[in-house]
Amino acid sequence: GENVEQHPSTLSVQEGDSAVIKCTYSDSASNYFPWYKQELGKGPQLIIDIRSNVGEKKDQRIAVTLNKTAKHFSLHITETQPEDSAVYFCAASDNTNAGKSTFGDGTTLTVKP
Amino acid sequence: EPEVTQTPSHQVTQMGQEVILRCVPISNHLYFYWYRQILGQKVEFLVSFYNNEISEKSEIFDDQFSVERPDGSNFTLKIRSTKLEDSAMYFCASSESGLTEAFFGQGTRLTVV
Repeated sequence: GENVEQHPSTLSVQEGDSAVIKCTYSDSASNYFPWYKQELGKGPQLIIDIRSNVGEKKDQRIAVTLNKTAKHFSLHITETQPEDSAVYFCAASDNTNAGKSTFGDGTTLTVKP
Repeated sequence: EPEVTQTPSHQVTQMGQEVILRCVPISNHLYFYWYRQILGQKVEFLVSFYNNEISEKSEIFDDQFSVERPDGSNFTLKIRSTKLEDSAMYFCASSESGLTEAFFGQGTRLTVV
């Protein structure tokens, strides 16, 4: 089955700095890669996703890159704000059942004001 | 904005008792999922449900678990005889199709004592 590894497990940045979270996956059949933000006591909320026919996708301060050959993908958050503080999960699934995802272990991002 | 709703938010149950966790998916969605998250750990896939039957399930989803869509709006997860290790957050999710992203509910915290 799919295995997703995520690094780092914790990340602390100053407000305004950039944050990068990296993930690798094992199953070459995976072709859909969502990123979720989880705030304390809440469910995961999709913040951005990418499919394997795309190498990069941006949405305002958030971008995701995908290297399908190397089987890794990354989340980039620029101009971080304290409200970006949360746990971020990467995930991988295939297009036949995009909601069935294998999650990474999560990264706790702390943005210090 | 449509959302997935879960009830109850917190359930405490005695070991060996049956529990039913309830979810109302987004109304036009056709795929439904249950995930669990043991405290401090990653989100783990349990089961996906489409066209009134289980489409995929993980190794975690053994005979003590069952899912049902009893009335066309609710989607339930039943745990027949709870164990201490079933204590976790249980998240319901739904997606419009097998090709689109899943939206998660706020979760039910299950505590088995």
